Amino acid sequence: EAQVTQNPRYLITVTGKKLTVTCSQNMNHEYMSWYRQDPGLGLRQIYYSMNVEVTDKGDVPEGYKVSRKEKRNFPLILESPSPNQTSLYFCASSPEPTGNSPLHFGNGTRLTVT
Amino acid sequence: DAKTTQPPSMDCAEGRAANLPCNHSTISGNEYVYWYRQIHSQGPQYIIHGLKNNETNEMASLIITEDRKSSTLILPHATLRDTAVYYCIVRPPGAGGTSYGKLTFGQGTILTVHP
Repeated sequence: EAQVTQNPRYLITVTGKKLTVTCSQNMNHEYMSWYRQDPGLGLRQIYYSMNVEVTDKGDVPEGYKVSRKEKRNFPLILESPSPNQTSLYFCASSPEPTGNSPLHFGNGTRLTVT
Repeated sequence: DAKTTQPPSMDCAEGRAANLPCNHSTISGNEYVYWYRQIHSQGPQYIIHGLKNNETNEMASLIITEDRKSSTLILPHATLRDTAVYYCIVRPPGAGGTSYGKLTFGQGTILTVHP
């Protein structure tokens, strides 16, 4: 089944403890992206990748890192999480970054930083 | 990006067609109309998109007016599992960059399908 898979689904951690949220897609998509969703703020883009080894900042990249060593994987790294990074995170992918190409989302990771 | 206006909520009886309207009067000629839905806190689910012509897929139909200032998403036979928040989005055609991945989800329409 074609899908975007995120892990873990839920994560509770403490301030400063490095963590990684994984994202994998099995559709050979070029474009991948990370978002966070907060009440009243909608969906905000954190980082995106146009292809392997090509990544760029979105609207809210502070405190996050990403890498794209393989086409299928796009992990989100929080080197030193803080409480303001408590949020619902989504990974998405699409075949190519054009307006006629829909983004497909994973099921989300709910992160709580205490 | 063009703004969209949707009714905050709608009801539909199970088995009936659900018609969800969206106003996008400031849409540009080359911008696409997309529909997504989100159930609880699950990932947004892509439903359908179109530019000028009406579109149909296994999930829904999209009717875009001739002047492209509004559209209607049609779920032909709504089920209880279609209860969700539905978002109408206008997206630019351009390739790459932050603008492609930027999805402005407004308030959406809460569709409640009842037995």
